[in-house]
Amino acid sequence: SQTIHQWPATLVQPVGSPLSLECTVEGTSNPNLYWYRQAAGRGLQLLFYSVGIGQISSEVPQNLSASRPQDRQFILSSKKLLLSDSGFYLCAWSLAGANTFGSGTRLTVV
Amino acid sequence: EDQVTQSPEALRLQEGESSSLNCSYTVSGLRGLFWYRQDPGKGPEFLFTLYSAGEEKEKERLKATLTKKESFLHITAPKPEDSATYLCAAGHYNTDKLIFGTGTRLQVFP
Repeated sequence: SQTIHQWPATLVQPVGSPLSLECTVEGTSNPNLYWYRQAAGRGLQLLFYSVGIGQISSEVPQNLSASRPQDRQFILSSKKLLLSDSGFYLCAWSLAGANTFGSGTRLTVV
Repeated sequence: EDQVTQSPEALRLQEGESSSLNCSYTVSGLRGLFWYRQDPGKGPEFLFTLYSAGEEKEKERLKATLTKKESFLHITAPKPEDSATYLCAAGHYNTDKLIFGTGTRLQVFP
């Protein structure tokens, strides 16, 4: 069966520090991969999605970037965090249809 | 512009008091309408996918229905463990991207 791993679960980072969040998927090949952000009391905002290795589409202009170095690995990065980057970050995968989500990373930028 | 709107934002029910959550959508070429349940601090958990108007799906106390413009999540005789935020999302025909509503926060009291 397919599983998705996302870490860390929580992260507190100072403004201006770098960020790296990692997501890996097991039990499937060539999935579509997604990064979402969920602000408090708001819906999920799609940040990036990828249909294959090295193929990244950005949905909104922001201080973040994404990379897919391997088929089942998706990384969310920032060179310098802003206060506004705080939120709940979710990785997801799909083959066709419903997204399956990881457990999320709560990022607090202080 | 593709859009998904959920109502109400919050709903308080007595245990056993049935009700419905609404999800209205405007998507050019709907591939599917998805319902998720999200508990605090966790990733969304997939519930249902509906593909065509008139389709219905059930799971325990939950039943999802779909028309050409909206979807309903009916909750029959809810229990406190049904308390969560319920999210709906519309999938666009040509992509695997989902457009999420902001959710309905359901609280069921004993």
